[in-house]
Amino acid sequence: AQKITQTQPGMFVQEKEAVTLDCTYDTSDPSYGLFWYKQPSSGEMIFLIYQGSYDQQNATEGRYSLNFQKARKSANLVISASQLGDSAMYFCAMREPIIQGAQKLVFGQGTRLTINP
Amino acid sequence: KAGVTQTPRYLIKTRGQQVTLSCSPISGHRSVSWYQQTPGQGLQFLFEYFSETQRNKGNFPGRFSGRQFSNSRSEMNVSTLELGDSALYLCASSLEPADNSPLHFGNGTRLTVT
Repeated sequence: AQKITQTQPGMFVQEKEAVTLDCTYDTSDPSYGLFWYKQPSSGEMIFLIYQGSYDQQNATEGRYSLNFQKARKSANLVISASQLGDSAMYFCAMREPIIQGAQKLVFGQGTRLTINP
Repeated sequence: KAGVTQTPRYLIKTRGQQVTLSCSPISGHRSVSWYQQTPGQGLQFLFEYFSETQRNKGNFPGRFSGRQFSNSRSEMNVSTLELGDSALYLCASSLEPADNSPLHFGNGTRLTVT
């Protein structure tokens, strides 16, 4: 069964610094997708970035980049130049292989990121 | 383009009652999934619907059920509520299943069972 591990329950970072949120995964399937979501206190899950298992390059979306190390089974999220608005819970998730069209995400436990002014 | 809309935002029920939660996906999205989020168990998959058919179901008791309508709107129902059902219920929609198609989530419905 697929599993996602986020080992950092909480992180505190100074504004404008870069921050790396760790994510390791476990799967025996060669095809999978990795996602990062941000959840502010309002509850909504906001999609940040996606990395496919066959993608040759690391994904980037604005200030977000994904450090994908397939052999280590890690998919760390890097936020450059952090802002106060980045304070939130961050979840790493893996999409199980799409079987008969069905899809399901497996989530890690999350990392609470706090940006200090 | 409007996002995923979930109603109601907050709900307080008593043990033994039943509850229905509603989700309107992003226009054009035909896949709707439901997730339960609790402090102890984290985010857990409930079920997924596509074209009014349940395609995948998580490890939840039969008290949890759902359906999808022809306009892709979805409802989930929890019968005989238990205290442990108190959680944030999140609905997500996506386009046709594709490897890089993200799930877009709503704000959730926070259910409190007393």
